[in-house]
Amino acid sequence: AQTVTQSQPEMSVQEAETVTLSCTYDTSESDYYLFWYKQPPSRQMILVIRQEAYKQQNATENRFSVNFQKAAKSFSLKISDSQLGDAAMYFCAYRSQGAQKLVFGQGTRLTINP
Amino acid sequence: NAGVTQTPKFRILKIGQSMTLQCTQDMNHNYMYWYRQDPGMGLKLIYYSVGAGITDKGEVPNGYNVSRSTTEDFPLRLELAAPSQTSVYFCASSYFLISSSGMDGNEQFFGPGTRLTVL
Repeated sequence: AQTVTQSQPEMSVQEAETVTLSCTYDTSESDYYLFWYKQPPSRQMILVIRQEAYKQQNATENRFSVNFQKAAKSFSLKISDSQLGDAAMYFCAYRSQGAQKLVFGQGTRLTINP
Repeated sequence: NAGVTQTPKFRILKIGQSMTLQCTQDMNHNYMYWYRQDPGMGLKLIYYSVGAGITDKGEVPNGYNVSRSTTEDFPLRLELAAPSQTSVYFCASSYFLISSSGMDGNEQFFGPGTRLTVL
């Protein structure tokens, strides 16, 4: 079974600085998808960014980018120019190709210091 | 589009009571899901449905039942509430389609969640 591990329960960063959230996963599959979800205090799960395992190029979405290392099974999220609105729980998630289930990590609580 | 809506937002149950959590989506998605999120944890899949009339168990199905009579609705039923079912429940939906290249790219859209407490 696949597992997702986020080893940083909490992170903090100064506003306008850059922060990187770590995620590792365990799988024997070659085709899969990886996601970062943001959960603000409102509890709404918001998709931040996704990465297809067959793509070598790292995904980017405005201030959000990933460092996808397939051989190392690592999928970190970099947030540039951090803003107060980025404060939230961030979850890394894995989904097998053709599967329905998202496997979530434990989450990292990100605090932005003004 | 309202997206995925869930009712109620909050509920307190006594042990042994029953209730149904409602979930509706207006995006014509074929797949729907129920997850639970325990404090300090990620989400775990309870049940999912690939279309009207078809449901299947996820990772933690015990104590729950689901039905899918329409594309839009996917209610979750708790028959005999237990303290272990205290959690936040999320419904999600997606449009699952496998392309000619074999790739699928469905994104799951989540509802706002229902916070359930069983005392």
